[in-house]
Amino acid sequence: GAGVSQSPSNKVTEKGKDVELRCDPISGHTALYWYRQSLGQGLEFLIYFQGNSAPDKSGLPSDRFSAERTGGSVSTLTIQRTQQEDSAVYLCASSPVVGGGWTEAFFGQGTRLTVV
Amino acid sequence: AQKITQTQPGMFVQEKEAVTLDCTYDTSDPSYGLFWYKQPSSGEMIFLIYQGSYDQQNATEGRYSLNFQKARKSANLVISASQLGDSAMYFCAMKKGSQGNLIFGKGTKLSVKP
Repeated sequence: GAGVSQSPSNKVTEKGKDVELRCDPISGHTALYWYRQSLGQGLEFLIYFQGNSAPDKSGLPSDRFSAERTGGSVSTLTIQRTQQEDSAVYLCASSPVVGGGWTEAFFGQGTRLTVV
Repeated sequence: AQKITQTQPGMFVQEKEAVTLDCTYDTSDPSYGLFWYKQPSSGEMIFLIYQGSYDQQNATEGRYSLNFQKARKSANLVISASQLGDSAMYFCAMKKGSQGNLIFGKGTKLSVKP
């Protein structure tokens, strides 16, 4: 009965380096979300995957950010040429699709990214 | 476009009293779900309660209730008998349709005073 798993839990990287953040959703959940949360702030939507549909990338802040989801399961968020303003907690969530209704999204513990 | 607004950056409440956290939303879609999450200082996101746009009755879960006023597009969270452990950030969120995106408001920081 594993929940949403994110790795690494903490990542310190040098400015200009690329980073990859991983999210393992709950098995069978077709929806997967990525959010960014800066210190003391709200959740900024980044990208949303739903089954085999084209992802909603409308929240990605720049072309340095990209994400993929392989086999409808694991997702990787990649940030290229990291900047100090990319420092934040990156949260992943997943949810099943319930026909005709709603169900909550289940969150991982997040990856705390620090760019130095 | 969808939008969630939480106008109270911070709130204080005395222990054992009730508190209402405000949330208004904007969508042109007739089908949507509204959610509240709690985020304690540990950072985890804890689901509290949800309301579907077609639900006739306000949702309740233990000490949490959702005051849903569809015409006013508001979905306020009411916490009864506040406890010290209720001190946390509270986020309102909306999902458009059963397969839509989930967007969040900026949150309200609730502090419960002994």
